[in-house]
Amino acid sequence: SQQGEEDPQALSIQEGENATMNCSYKTSINNLQWYRQNSGRGLVHLILIRSNEREKHSGRLRVTLDTSKKSSSLLITASRAADTASYFCATVLIGGSNYKLTFGKGTLLTVNP
Amino acid sequence: DAGITQSPRYKITETGRQVTLMCHQTWSHSYMFWYRQDLGHGLRLIYYSAAADITDKGEVPDGYVVSRSKTENFPLTLESATRSQTSVYFCATAKLALNQETQYFGPGTRLLVL
Repeated sequence: SQQGEEDPQALSIQEGENATMNCSYKTSINNLQWYRQNSGRGLVHLILIRSNEREKHSGRLRVTLDTSKKSSSLLITASRAADTASYFCATVLIGGSNYKLTFGKGTLLTVNP
Repeated sequence: DAGITQSPRYKITETGRQVTLMCHQTWSHSYMFWYRQDLGHGLRLIYYSAAADITDKGEVPDGYVVSRSKTENFPLTLESATRSQTSVYFCATAKLALNQETQYFGPGTRLLVL
């Protein structure tokens, strides 16, 4: 079963606007990661936030994590047409040699020029 | 540096045939993973491997077999392909050392089972 669930499933915005995607999950995690997938390609890692962190920045990306609400958000500021892609959150639980990374179903972001 | 490669990139087969999808990495990452991606389901983990000769089931392992005799290779075999196994298959690797917990994905193999 899916651990992370992204919201919304699809988002369409104009270039220059900010895009916010949310992810909710059900169980404890070690960290949460966001990935991007361009059409027909593999996933590319964007950013990782650990369970003891609340906010993290990387360029135009801002990720927040609220472990009490079991939710995370990804904000892309000043979006560009090239940001058009699917974005996935992935929750990670590590125990010994067991490593469980579970992806959500993704948010399809379309940035219109 | 090739990183992670998958072959074939596209495959058409018939129901009941055995199919093997290859995954090769040049990084010597300990962990390797196989996912399938389907509309409406996102990515689902099929099998993963923590090291050579160590494999474990993921969320949807039925109908699949994996092996890992060498660190750099992690083939996925569909023993008797079914139409429900039509999907895009992604291989991924991870080092999983401290502060290095991200996964690196291959380009994917598109499999059509007729």
